Amino acid sequence: AQTVTQSQPEMSVQEAETVTLSCTYDTSESDYYLFWYKQPPSRQMILVIRQEAYKQQNATENRFSVNFQKAAKSFSLKISDSQLGDAAMYFCAYRRRSGNTPLVFGKGTRLSVIA
Amino acid sequence: KAGVTQTPRYLIKTRGQQVTLSCSPISGHRSVSWYQQTPGQGLQFLFEYFSETQRNKGNFPGRFSGRQFSNSRSEMNVSTLELGDSALYLCASSSPDSSSYGYTFGSGTRLTVV
Repeated sequence: AQTVTQSQPEMSVQEAETVTLSCTYDTSESDYYLFWYKQPPSRQMILVIRQEAYKQQNATENRFSVNFQKAAKSFSLKISDSQLGDAAMYFCAYRRRSGNTPLVFGKGTRLSVIA
Repeated sequence: KAGVTQTPRYLIKTRGQQVTLSCSPISGHRSVSWYQQTPGQGLQFLFEYFSETQRNKGNFPGRFSGRQFSNSRSEMNVSTLELGDSALYLCASSSPDSSSYGYTFGSGTRLTVV
């Protein structure tokens, strides 16, 4: 079974600084998707960024970028120029590409942004 | 385009009662998935429905059930509620074209069992 591990339950960052959230996963599959979701106090899970395993290039969405290391099964999220609105729970998730399989989530990292 | 709508937002029930939660997916999305979120266990997959058929099921007891209607709206039911069922229940929808982009989630129903 696939598992996703986020080893940092909580992180904090100063406004305008950069922070990196860690995620590792375990799978025997070679083709899959990886996601980072943000859950603010409003509770709605919002997709931040996605990565396709067969693409070597790291995904980037504005201030958000990932460091995808397939061999190491590592998928970290870097947030640049942190803003107060970035404060939230961040979840790393995995989904196998083939078949109709559900998302598998990590336990999450609570990010605080200090003004 | 309306997002995923979950009702009610909050619910308080007594142990032993049953509860029904509702989820309306994004228009055109035929897949609806349900997740239970608790501080201790995180996000756990309950089940997924596609075109009115259960396509996947997580490891939850039979007290948890669901269904999907012809308009893709979905309901989940929990019978004989236990204190441990207190959680945020999240619904997510996707279409075959969007499944590679993950799912679109609703804001959840916060269930408290007393």
